[in-house]
Amino acid sequence: DQQVKQNSPSLSVQEGRISILNCDYTNSMFDYFLWYKKYPAEGPTFLISISSIKDKNEDGRFTVFLNKSAKHLSLHIVPSQPGDSAVYFCAASGTSGTYKYIFGTGTRLKVLA
Amino acid sequence: NAGVTQTPKFRILKIGQSMTLQCAQDMNHNYMYWYRQDPGMGLKLIYYSVGAGITDKGEVPNGYNVSRSTTEDFPLRLELAAPSQTSVYFCASSYSPGNVDTEAFFGQGTRLTVV
Repeated sequence: DQQVKQNSPSLSVQEGRISILNCDYTNSMFDYFLWYKKYPAEGPTFLISISSIKDKNEDGRFTVFLNKSAKHLSLHIVPSQPGDSAVYFCAASGTSGTYKYIFGTGTRLKVLA
Repeated sequence: NAGVTQTPKFRILKIGQSMTLQCAQDMNHNYMYWYRQDPGMGLKLIYYSVGAGITDKGEVPNGYNVSRSTTEDFPLRLELAAPSQTSVYFCASSYSPGNVDTEAFFGQGTRLTVV
C-alpha cells in the first residue's frame, strides 16, 4: 500500500520555465511534508518542507503548496535551472504517532538548457 | 562534523552470505532509519529506531535485522543474502519527527549486489 505517491516518474522542462512536481498521500495522520533532491550516487538532501497548518511555504526559487482536503502537495521551481536536474522525492511524517518518514517513488526532473 | 557515515560504499555478496552495513551519525539524533532504493520504487523504510535499545519494523523488514546499542550507531544485518536484496541502502537520522521543522539527514548510500 503506497501511502505517498508521485505519479509522474519523469518531467522535462526548459531552462527558465516553471517546474511543477506533484505528490499525493493517503494517510490522514500525516501532517508534515518534505521534499528531497537526489543526485546520482549521492544520498537525498533536504530541500523544503511544509506543516499541515500552512498551505504554502517558500524558499527562494522553491515553493511547496499543500491542499489538505485533496491530500495533495506540489513543488514549484521558478525559474528552473540545469543544476536542478535530479530525482525529487516527496516524504510525509506525522507529529503524533507516526514517527517515521514515508517516501514516494520519486520524479526525475530534467531541465533542458 | 561528518553527518551520517555509511560503510562500505559498494559490496558484492554471494547468495547465502551475511554482512553488516554500518551507519554512524555525529549529530546526537535520537531517530535513525534504514531505507532501500530500488529502481522506480522510491525509498522503502526497512527499520527505524527512536533511541538506543529501541527499534521497530518499517515497510520492508523481511530478511534484515538491526540493533541500536548506542545513540551514534545503527547497523543493518543481512543474514542470508538473496538476489532480491540487491539495492542501494541509505541510512538516515533525525531529531524526533514529532517536532515540526525536523528533517532527516542521509548518508551517501551503500550499493549492494547479491549474485
